[in-house]
Amino acid sequence: EDQVTQSPEALRLQEGESSSLNCSYTVSGLRGLFWYRQDPGKGPEFLFTLYSAGEEKEKERLKATLTKKESFLHITAPKPEDSATYLCAVQSASGGYNKLIFGAGTRLAVHP
Amino acid sequence: EAGVTQFPSHSVIEKGQTVTLRCDPISGHDNLYWYRRVMGKEIKFLLHFVKESKQDESGMPNNRFLAERTGGTYSTLKVQPAELEDSGVYFCASSLGVAIEQFFGPGTRLTVL
Repeated sequence: EDQVTQSPEALRLQEGESSSLNCSYTVSGLRGLFWYRQDPGKGPEFLFTLYSAGEEKEKERLKATLTKKESFLHITAPKPEDSATYLCAVQSASGGYNKLIFGAGTRLAVHP
Repeated sequence: EAGVTQFPSHSVIEKGQTVTLRCDPISGHDNLYWYRRVMGKEIKFLLHFVKESKQDESGMPNNRFLAERTGGTYSTLKVQPAELEDSGVYFCASSLGVAIEQFFGPGTRLTVL
C-alpha cells in the first residue's frame, strides 16, 4: 500500500537555527513528490515538485532533496514567518495515479 | 491570475441534512480534485475530474457523496444525508495537467451536529 510518513510531527526552532524535515515514502513507482506549506485556516500552498532521485529544488530559505526512499526539506536560517505546517505528498505510478497521497505533516514553529 | 475558490468557507448543518459545496478551479485547468481532512487525520483524496468526466472516484467514502462538474468548469460536492463523521475540511484543487503540481483552494469547513 502506498504510504507517506513525515517526521518529526512538530519542530520548534529559534530564528536562524537551520534544520531538516523528513518525508519517507513507500509507493509502487514514484511519479512525483510534492512539498506544500499550509498556514492555519488556509489551503496547502505549493512549494516544490521532485521527480527523480538526486533531484534538488530551492526557493529562498528552503531546499528540497529526493532519494529513492525519502525526501528532505532543509530550512536554512529560518524566520518566524516560516512557521507553518509542511506537507509532503506523492503520486504513485499504479492505479489512481493522479491523486496525491499525503503525509500527516510537520508543524514548524520558529521563535524570534 | 485568480486561484482556486471554494464556497462556503464554513457550513454547520444538522445530521440528516443536505449540504452542497462548490469549487471554482483556476481558469483553463481541466483537472479538478476533491480532498478532505477529517479530525486528526491526513488529507485524503476523494475524486478527480478531467473536464466534466470522473477520472477516478476511488476515494469517495460512500453513496451519500455526489460530485458533479457540468460543463467542465466549476464543481459541486453534495453530501446527502450528512452524518457526524462527515465533519472536516473539504479541499478542492486544480491542475493544468497530470503528474504536475495541484493548486489548492482555501477549503470548506463542514461541521455536522
